[in-house]
Amino acid sequence: KAGVTQTPRYLIKTRGQQVTLSCSPISGHRSVSWYQQTPGQGLQFLFEYFSETQRNKGNFPGRFSGRQFSNSRSEMNVSTLELGDSALYLCASRRNTDTQYFGPGTRLTVL
Amino acid sequence: QKEVEQNSGPLSVPEGAIASLNCTYSDRVSQSFFWYRQYSGKSPELIMSIYSNGDKEDGRFTAQLNKASQYVSLLIRDSQPSDSATYLCAVNTPRDYKLSFGAGTTVTVRA
Repeated sequence: KAGVTQTPRYLIKTRGQQVTLSCSPISGHRSVSWYQQTPGQGLQFLFEYFSETQRNKGNFPGRFSGRQFSNSRSEMNVSTLELGDSALYLCASRRNTDTQYFGPGTRLTVL
Repeated sequence: QKEVEQNSGPLSVPEGAIASLNCTYSDRVSQSFFWYRQYSGKSPELIMSIYSNGDKEDGRFTAQLNKASQYVSLLIRDSQPSDSATYLCAVNTPRDYKLSFGAGTTVTVRA
């Protein structure tokens, strides 16, 4: 069974731009979660989607948003990028409340 | 109080020794507990999950859970240089629909 895939793997943007990241979960997994990982803050929860509904949201500004499609694929968007948004963005999927599996991540650099 | 706390690192152990990692959590209704391993620049990889009090062994890894004490641990026996990584403790609280992660403990195995 194929794992979680994320595109793109690397991204360089400048301040003020916006970015969209994509995640395809493991087949049969309906839950997709997004995390931001930085050296200083560790792994921080952004939001979780299940059957196209956002079930939980972390403590991030409104510039961070996401959505999930009917095929369970998910996207997250960051608008008006700031230098501090440079991070590894991880997507994880799971069937219900079971084990969560991570994708390879998208490394975002904001210049 | 943080939801999930791990013993501060870094932890340096000689090759062949036992590495002991500890984790405490704050929410008593937590039901599922996981250990992830993360190599530098890579995404977290699941190595152990535990749901019931007691020990669970998988190869050189043993996870221990004590719900009364709200404590989870991971033992790595016969540590190898390839075990050098950051280990993340994660706790699932169903009502929040999210996994809460500790800050991680970095383990270095000296050859």
